[in-house]
Amino acid sequence: DAKTTQPNSMESNEEEPVHLPCNHSTISGTDYIHWYRQLPSQGPEYVIHGLTSNVNNRMASLAIAEDRKSSTLILHRATLRDAAVYYCILRGSDGGATNKLIFGTGTLLAVQP
Amino acid sequence: GAVVSQHPSWVICKSGTSVKIECRSLDFQATTMFWYRQFPKQSLMLMATSNEGSKATYEQGVEKDKFLINHASLTLSTLTVTSAHPEDSSFYICSARDRTGHNSPLHFGNGTRLTVT
Repeated sequence: DAKTTQPNSMESNEEEPVHLPCNHSTISGTDYIHWYRQLPSQGPEYVIHGLTSNVNNRMASLAIAEDRKSSTLILHRATLRDAAVYYCILRGSDGGATNKLIFGTGTLLAVQP
Repeated sequence: GAVVSQHPSWVICKSGTSVKIECRSLDFQATTMFWYRQFPKQSLMLMATSNEGSKATYEQGVEKDKFLINHASLTLSTLTVTSAHPEDSSFYICSARDRTGHNSPLHFGNGTRLTVT
């Protein structure tokens, strides 16, 4: 599986935008970029995913570099409830039934009031 | 949205006993479910992939005879930790993918915290 590299931790202030970077220089042409987050003592939660174009949903935006070797998850206005570990994961689209998600170490986001 | 229910949310058992954890997809059918475990301050580690009606596929280093997985229906998968020992104490999390597409998001349960005394 292609690997991703994320900072171990980041801090943000409440109501300010947060940009969480992810490097994936070995991404293949068919890999999708997925983001999940995990709040303390809970299972992970899907945030967003994309292939080439930037994506927006109600939770966040995903900006993908033109060469696809990096991406940035954007939380437009951080709240205290956004404090979590954010995982950037590459997921193959080979049509196989399993499409495993292999988690790296993620970025621990702290949000200060 | 799609909901995955995991039960129990926590369990304490004695060393040598077996514990069964259930994972249900409540409002969708899941041909594939995944089982993870997570130790404190660490990331999730994939244990196995559970396929409805067939044998589970285990990741390297995971003992299939110790962690029994059954996926008897499109909405239920179970993980049984057999002859549990204190080192099996961990946070076990299941996830499921619905049938709409192989790149559809995975939906996760809220985990089961197992403590073996």
